[in-house]
Amino acid sequence: SAVISQKPSRDICQRGTSLTIQCQVDSQVTMMFWYRQQPGQSLTLIATANQGSEATYESGFVIDKFPISRPNLTFSTLTVSNMSPEDSSIYLCSVTTGEQTQYFGPGTRLLVL
Amino acid sequence: AQSVAQPEDQVNVAEGNPLTVKCTYSVSGNPYLFWYVQYPNRGLQFLLKYITGDNLVKGSYGFEAEFNKSQTSFHLKKPSALVSDSALYFCAVRGDNTGGGNKLTFGTGTQLKVEL
Repeated sequence: SAVISQKPSRDICQRGTSLTIQCQVDSQVTMMFWYRQQPGQSLTLIATANQGSEATYESGFVIDKFPISRPNLTFSTLTVSNMSPEDSSIYLCSVTTGEQTQYFGPGTRLLVL
Repeated sequence: AQSVAQPEDQVNVAEGNPLTVKCTYSVSGNPYLFWYVQYPNRGLQFLLKYITGDNLVKGSYGFEAEFNKSQTSFHLKKPSALVSDSALYFCAVRGDNTGGGNKLTFGTGTQLKVEL
């Protein structure tokens, strides 16, 4: 398994500002993922964060809005840029282990006013 | 394209009774199937998975799931429900030959409510 922490756990932000979310894993992992869970909804994959290369974004998500960094095998950041109330969601970091299982962090609860 | 259906938005069960949360899937290749649970204000916790082998998979907290290839289903079950099992349950799938690598597709979730 993997132990994943995220910072901040929650935040309230003003529209037009940006927030950077950090994800730390207790072991080295090849693939890290960022998901969004809008209120009352399921999880939607934003992007896959690859160490040493650009993140791979899913349809509907762009790098200008959600820039991602992956400086090493245990850490990644997701920035939510120029926020609007529609960005209010839970943002979840996830990693895949050698057991073919994805483990999730506790999430960052974002409210944009 | 892969997809997951959880036909019930909510399942209500009396404590001590058996529970079933339904999941059907569509995927190319052999399926890798997962169940996760989300408690209020928490992230997703892994419950169990089917990769290969026995169709009946046992997981955390007394949960189990049965893989049925002919019905493309992976229903979550527990013989005796507890009030503390009340949470949101997600089924997820990916194919063993997914080009994108490990990309999971999630169902819409089923809210389980266990009452005294």
